[in-house]
Amino acid sequence: DSGVTQTPKHLITATGQRVTLRCSPRSGDLSVYWYQQSLDQGLQFLIQYYNGEERAKGNILERFSAQQFPDLHSELNLSSLELGDSALYFCASSGGANVLTFGAGSRLTVL
Amino acid sequence: AQSVSQHNHHVILSEAASLELGCNYSYGGTVNLFWYVQYPGQHLQLLLKYFSGDPLVKGIKGFEAEFIKSKFSFNLRKPSVQWSDTAEYFCAVNRVGGSTLGRLYFGRGTQLTVWP
Repeated sequence: DSGVTQTPKHLITATGQRVTLRCSPRSGDLSVYWYQQSLDQGLQFLIQYYNGEERAKGNILERFSAQQFPDLHSELNLSSLELGDSALYFCASSGGANVLTFGAGSRLTVL
Repeated sequence: AQSVSQHNHHVILSEAASLELGCNYSYGGTVNLFWYVQYPGQHLQLLLKYFSGDPLVKGIKGFEAEFIKSKFSFNLRKPSVQWSDTAEYFCAVNRVGGSTLGRLYFGRGTQLTVWP
């Protein structure tokens, strides 16, 4: 157990639907990162939050959005889902030492 | 743009063989370097990291890596692999300072299969 908790572990949904992935960072970590892992793209950085504020944006689609709440947990919202959005979505957290600790991931399957 | 290259997509070894996985990055400034491992069905775990100092760094489970600045490389090594080392290995880089602080750029990963 890395201390980073992600829910749900698995999610199957249909095209056009919307899902929310949740992440609780390690205790004391202020930064949360979201990554997408797919066979064709590898590990792609999506977005970073630090203490509730967006810090950096990567290859995140406009259909995707995220936020970090006052209790530091984060949610990644994926809408108008397409088949190509099927992937493993990882959350990671860090406490400022530039070392990321990853959660177990949420596997999204879009049918 | 920042890029990280892992030259071996899949490496197959017998137990007790030596391992070296290549990693090169493209950024010319100061970087932090990492190797992560992903065992089947599990999350990414940090194997080792280089921030500064001795370019030869030792990590968990007998792994080590050498940072060669002139070659923009950070190769991972292990003198004698075990069946339990079967996993996917990711090299990652982040830039020191700037707006991408903390953001990791990952290589595509190398799948290591060790036969008993």
